[in-house]
Amino acid sequence: KAGVTQTPRYLIKTRGQQVTLSCSPISGHRSVSWYQQTPGQGLQFLFEYFSETQRNKGNFPGRFSGRQFSNSRSEMNVSTLELGDSALYLCASSLGLRGVANEQFFGPGTRLTVL
Amino acid sequence: AQKVTQAQTEISVVEKEDVTLDCVYETRDTTYYLFWYKQPPSGELVFLIRRNSFDEQNEISGRYSWNFQKSTSSFNFTITASQVVDSAVYFCALSEAWSGNTGKLIFGQGTTLQVKP
Repeated sequence: KAGVTQTPRYLIKTRGQQVTLSCSPISGHRSVSWYQQTPGQGLQFLFEYFSETQRNKGNFPGRFSGRQFSNSRSEMNVSTLELGDSALYLCASSLGLRGVANEQFFGPGTRLTVL
Repeated sequence: AQKVTQAQTEISVVEKEDVTLDCVYETRDTTYYLFWYKQPPSGELVFLIRRNSFDEQNEISGRYSWNFQKSTSSFNFTITASQVVDSAVYFCALSEAWSGNTGKLIFGQGTTLQVKP
């Protein structure tokens, strides 16, 4: 079974631009969660999508948004980039069964650098 | 509030030594899940184990073992006879079981383990 894939793997943007990151989950997984990893803040939850609906959201500004398609693939978008948005963005997929915290399987991440 | 604390920032051992990584969690929920992940230098988080709050049995998988104690809110991870390939950052994480929150992992700050030959 193919693992979680993320594209692109590396991105360099400048302040004020916007960026879209993509995540393809493991086949059969309906939940996709996104995380931001920085040296200072560690791993922080951004949001989770399940069956094309946002099911949970972390404490990030509205510049961070996402969506999920009918094939469970997900994208996250960051608008008006700031230097502090430089991070490794990880997505994870899971079965997403209600009432159960299923194992989340992570992709390799997208390394975003904002100049 | 949910919180995970990994007090050990960095640990350095010599190959074949045993090493224990500590994890202490806080939650007000009675039903929750605990996880350990490994992040090698390549960056991808690798799932190691999941436990739910009703299963306090210790688990052993090869050289890895986990000790879950609800009384002390701890979920510690031991590597026996460490190897250089065990060098990585290890994360402990917590998730609540209510349906709106199961996709959210709260991570500790991670413990960097260096195993020297």
